[in-house]
Amino acid sequence: RKEVEQDPGPFNVPEGATVAFNCTYSNSASQSFFWYRQDCRKEPKLLMSVYSSGNEDGRFTAQLNRASQYISLLIRDSKLSDSATYLCVVNPIGGKLIFGQGTELSVKP
Amino acid sequence: DGGITQSPKYLFRKEGQNVTLSCEQNLNHDAMYWYRQDPGQGLRLIYYSQIVNDFQKGDIAEGYSVSREKKESFPLTVTSAQKNPTAFYLCASQPARTVRTEAFFGQGTRLTVV
Repeated sequence: RKEVEQDPGPFNVPEGATVAFNCTYSNSASQSFFWYRQDCRKEPKLLMSVYSSGNEDGRFTAQLNRASQYISLLIRDSKLSDSATYLCVVNPIGGKLIFGQGTELSVKP
Repeated sequence: DGGITQSPKYLFRKEGQNVTLSCEQNLNHDAMYWYRQDPGQGLRLIYYSQIVNDFQKGDIAEGYSVSREKKESFPLTVTSAQKNPTAFYLCASQPARTVRTEAFFGQGTRLTVV
């Protein structure tokens, strides 16, 4: 089993749609969780950290379920500019960063 | 400005040659990482270092070598033993041993074997 697994993509959605990505992790000692966004041929950039209580940033909502060992990212009212690959990242304290394989999102007009 | 810098942005290598990719950060971060990304694929960990003069192999370390003589610098050498080195290489840094601290990436180096 991979340490971090994401929904296989790609996701093709119309503008204005709501889309959700899921990510599961195997190490129960993991303490930090993040969603990164990567545009084509660019470096990944932090989209948002994921906190135990869940957190929201505009159209984006991240949730963490420690009992089931998964995190999710919800994007509401999708924009064309949301088209990118979304990477789930897990990090135990003092341990290495572990990336999921990424889920590609394509938002169409 | 604080940040993490990779150089060069594009690199061409002849078969059989070793090349070194530079990664420098002035963020005072303890941890540094090297990843490889192939087209349409995720990031695969090559090496990482959490402290000066110490580093660990990642999932695909064969054919690569690193050093961590200074906190700011974590160069990656792609040796001739790496059979398929053409890829996008990303360096990242992160404060170590703290919670909820994201990693920052350099802009990457595209290596092509010619």
